[in-house]
Amino acid sequence: DVKVTQSSRYLVKRTGEKVFLECVQDMDHENMFWYRQDPGLGLRLIYFSYDVKMKEKGDIPEGYSVSREKKERFSLILESASTNQTSMYLCASSFGGAGYNEQFFGPGTRLTVL
Amino acid sequence: QKEVEQNSGPLSVPEGAIASLNCTYSDRVSQSFFWYRQYSGKSPELIMSIYSNGDKEDGRFTAQLNKASQYVSLLIRDSQPSDSATYLCAVNMGTSGYSTLTFGKGTMLLVSP
Repeated sequence: DVKVTQSSRYLVKRTGEKVFLECVQDMDHENMFWYRQDPGLGLRLIYFSYDVKMKEKGDIPEGYSVSREKKERFSLILESASTNQTSMYLCASSFGGAGYNEQFFGPGTRLTVL
Repeated sequence: QKEVEQNSGPLSVPEGAIASLNCTYSDRVSQSFFWYRQYSGKSPELIMSIYSNGDKEDGRFTAQLNKASQYVSLLIRDSQPSDSATYLCAVNMGTSGYSTLTFGKGTMLLVSP
């Protein structure tokens, strides 16, 4: 079974802090994704990566950055956390190549910025 | 803007009934279609994928795809209270060349005993 893990289930940070969210997958997937999910807004793609050291902006990249130094690990960084970044953050992974688009999600990190 | 539309619900059905969840998408060249189930406070779980026109059955679940009408649906037979969740439709729009998915906002399903 595909397993995607995230470093924390719940996280509370202060405004202005630098926040790291980590995601690890154990299925040798090429693609990894970071989403945030907010009531009424659905899942929104922040960044994704299709290979080591490669990254692409999603729909809402402002205020975020990412790092992918190893194939199995994809980190989301909030350089200076703000209250409007309070959300559920979800990591997902999938195989690369045409037709292999099924994404598998980690358990999520509920981040609160005070 | 490429979109995936779902009725937000809630869709209420009695136990044992058929629940029908619908989704429309805007990009005619979309290639891959998925249904995810999300329980409150949990992450989405993939339950069905469909790639070609017609029906695909897996246990109590049937996914239906009609590319000409840009329409995909999920039928849940013999609905159980444990099926109560939000169901997300996701579509690979295809044109970007990347394996990204566009998600609908989900339909909440409530199955009453």
